[in-house]
Amino acid sequence: GNSVTQMEGPVTLSEEAFLTINCTYTATGYPSLFWYVQYPGEGLQLLLKATKADDKGSNKGFEATYRKETTSFHLEKGSVQVSDSAVYFCALDPYNNNDMRFGAGTRLTVKP
Amino acid sequence: DSGVTQTPKHLITATGQRVTLRCSPRSGDLSVYWYQQSLDQGLQFLIQYYNGEERAKGNILERFSAQQFPDLHSELNLSSLELGDSALYFCASSPRRVGAEAFFGQGTRLTVV
Repeated sequence: GNSVTQMEGPVTLSEEAFLTINCTYTATGYPSLFWYVQYPGEGLQLLLKATKADDKGSNKGFEATYRKETTSFHLEKGSVQVSDSAVYFCALDPYNNNDMRFGAGTRLTVKP
Repeated sequence: DSGVTQTPKHLITATGQRVTLRCSPRSGDLSVYWYQQSLDQGLQFLIQYYNGEERAKGNILERFSAQQFPDLHSELNLSSLELGDSALYFCASSPRRVGAEAFFGQGTRLTVV
């Protein structure tokens, strides 16, 4: 079936460290891929997205590239800040048909 | 503000009781999703409705049910509540468009005592 697998957390980094959160997917066809972020006490909000292979989504210093050959959409940021502490969810819409599926979430804590 | 409204924000109830959670999607969005977020279990997809009809079902217990009304608002009914049902319940909506994101409400925090 259609699913997303993302790296287990929690992840703890020091400020200005490099961040990678791995995400791989299983889907037929050409899904759209998303990263959502959930700050403490809030709902999820879209961080970035990519709708076709080789697209790069970017926002707030975060980037992810849609890799069809490796079925991956890894999230990266070159220098994390304390304010990036949150839970990050990878998601896909398998048929571009609003059938959204989420990964389990990865909790990131950034220490000063 | 995502445009998705969930009520109530907090709910405390006793085991064995029944509650109804309400979601108003963004104007014009036909798809509504319900998710359960427990402390250590990430985001569990429960059910999706599209324009009043059930579209997909996830890990939803038989004690739980949902519906989407003609005005597109949705309700999630939880019955015979157990302590383990304590969680944050999110509703999300999305438009029918390629690459469209889902917009989440602030959630309803349910505490079963």
